This record gives sequence, C-alpha cells and structure tokens, in this order.
Amino acid sequence: AQSVTQLDSHVSVSEGTPVLLRCNYSSSYSPSLFWYVQHPNKGLQLLLKYTSAATLVKGINGFEAEFKKSETSFHLTKPSAHMSDAAEYFCCELGSNSGYALNFGKGTSLLVTP
Amino acid sequence: GAVVSQHPSRVICKSGTSVKIECRSLDFQATTMFWYRQFPKQSLMLMATSNEGSKATYEQGVEKDKFLINHASLTLSTLTVTSAHPEDSSFYICSATKGTGNTEAFFGQGTRLTVV
Repeated sequence: AQSVTQLDSHVSVSEGTPVLLRCNYSSSYSPSLFWYVQHPNKGLQLLLKYTSAATLVKGINGFEAEFKKSETSFHLTKPSAHMSDAAEYFCCELGSNSGYALNFGKGTSLLVTP
Repeated sequence: GAVVSQHPSRVICKSGTSVKIECRSLDFQATTMFWYRQFPKQSLMLMATSNEGSKATYEQGVEKDKFLINHASLTLSTLTVTSAHPEDSSFYICSATKGTGNTEAFFGQGTRLTVV
C-alpha cells in the first residue's frame, strides 16, 4: 500500500533561517506528490506539486521541493522563514485507487520564532 | 482559479440531531468530490469519494448510514452526519477535482463540528 511519511511532527526555526520539512514516499512507480499548508481551523492550500516533470518544483510563498527518486524523498524547503509561515504542512501522494483521493502524511507543525 | 466553498464553517449541535455540510465548487464542475475528517493535531483521513449521480464510495470503517453523502449535481456535494454523538466532533473538509487527468484537488475551508 502507498504511504507517505513525514519524518518530523514538529519543526521550530527562527525567523529568517532556512526551513526544511522532510517527506518520504513509498510508491514504486512515479508518484504525483503534493505539499499543502493548513493554517489553524482553515482548509488546505496547495503549495506545490510534482507530476513527473522537473524534479525541482517551485511553489508559492518562496517554497520549493525536490523530488529525489533514489531517496524516495520530496522534502520541502524555504531559504528564509517568515512568521506567517507558521502552520501545519502536509505532504501527500495521489492515490492509485479511491478515484484520485490524496494519501496524507501525518503533518509537520512549523513554529517560527522571532 | 478554482474555488471550493464549504458551509457552514462551524456548527454546534445536540446529540441525536443531524447536521448537513455543503461543499460547492463555485467556478468549475467537479466530477469527483472527496470528504475527509481531521481529528485534532492529526492528519486528514479520507472518508468517502463522491461522484456526481452515483453512490459514494466509503472507506473501510466509515459508516455509510451515519455519514450520508449526496452528490446531486456537478457543483454540490453534501455530507449529513446523522444522529450525531460527541465522538463525531471533528473537522470535516471536502475537496474537489475538475476531472479525469487533472489531479489537483481544491479544498473547502472546512467545517468544525461540535456535538454537545
């Protein structure tokens, strides 16, 4: 079965420092991968997606992610954290069944300190 | 853009009553809509997949008689939590896709259900 693993449940960074949120996938075929952000009591906003095109994907708000097949990873990065980046981040994979539903990782809570 | 509107954003109901949550695609036709449930500090769990004009497909462990899903049109899906109990309190989120081949999901704002 497909699964997505977010390696850190919580990440804390200082404002202005780099952000790294880690994600590994398990699919043996070429997956479609996504990163979503969720602010408290809000829906999800798509940050970026990988669908077998360029392996370095640039998203909104300065985020990017690199697809590494050899490492089965799709880590999310940002060069410089902003206070407004504090939120919950979900890595997910397009399911092969359930009509294209998303399989979500457990989420990583990003805290940005002044 | 593609906007999905979910209503209500918050609802409090008494045990034993039913609550209906609406999910609308405002500027596109959604052939498929998904309903997820999110417990506090946890990830989203798929409850069911809803296709317009057909019965919803429920995930294992989700009671179809308790969580009634109707997808009567290409822009509207509803989730009705019947005979709600406190353990049904959760954050419910819908998403919609535009159609086959376009896999991007657009999410509603979510509904915070509290059953007292």
